[in-house]
Amino acid sequence: NAGVTQTPKFRILKIGQSMTLQCTQDMNHNYMYWYRQDPGMGLKLIYYSVGAGITDKGEVPNGYNVSRSTTEDFPLRLELAAPSQTSVYFCASSSGRRGSPLHFGNGTRLTVT
Amino acid sequence: GQQVMQIPQYQHVQEGEDFTTYCNSSTTLSNIQWYKQRPGGHPVFLIQLVKSGEVKKQKRLTFQFGEAKKNSSLHITATQTTDVGTYFCAGDYGGSQGNLIFGKGTKLSVKP
Repeated sequence: NAGVTQTPKFRILKIGQSMTLQCTQDMNHNYMYWYRQDPGMGLKLIYYSVGAGITDKGEVPNGYNVSRSTTEDFPLRLELAAPSQTSVYFCASSSGRRGSPLHFGNGTRLTVT
Repeated sequence: GQQVMQIPQYQHVQEGEDFTTYCNSSTTLSNIQWYKQRPGGHPVFLIQLVKSGEVKKQKRLTFQFGEAKKNSSLHITATQTTDVGTYFCAGDYGGSQGNLIFGKGTKLSVKP
């Protein structure tokens, strides 16, 4: 089992560029999440999805968009990248049952200059 | 909004010393989870606590959930260099989607 797979691992963007962070999971999990992690700030929820076709905003959604066309995939789109979006992005999935653990991908380190 | 406070932010210990990190919430939690993130890695689930006053052990790690379900702690006995990393608590307030609120983490360094 690959678990949660994120691509790319690293990316440098110029201000104003756009990109899509890819996330796929092979555990047949209904719930998927995107977090960003800034130094010393823990994990902040950007968007989440409870199933294909359903997405909702988390704590810090501005500047991002998501889609969930299949159970396996949950891409995160950055439009008009800004330096404030420099961060490490983690995708995670869970079964959705109360208290079920999050399974994280290896992360994408994004720098916007 | 809901917030989970975690202290300390950093802890430096000599190998063999004990380590404790604490999480506090102003409101009652449905359950709390603990994760470990090694340097350069991703968070990995350690354990979940659900019941008031619950205590769980994993080898040298002891996890506690307060009686009021507002606080929790992780204690490591006799730290080893393999314990290095950042430990996060994540509180579940029982909302419809069960989203977790993460503490800011405690970064543990262990001097051999």
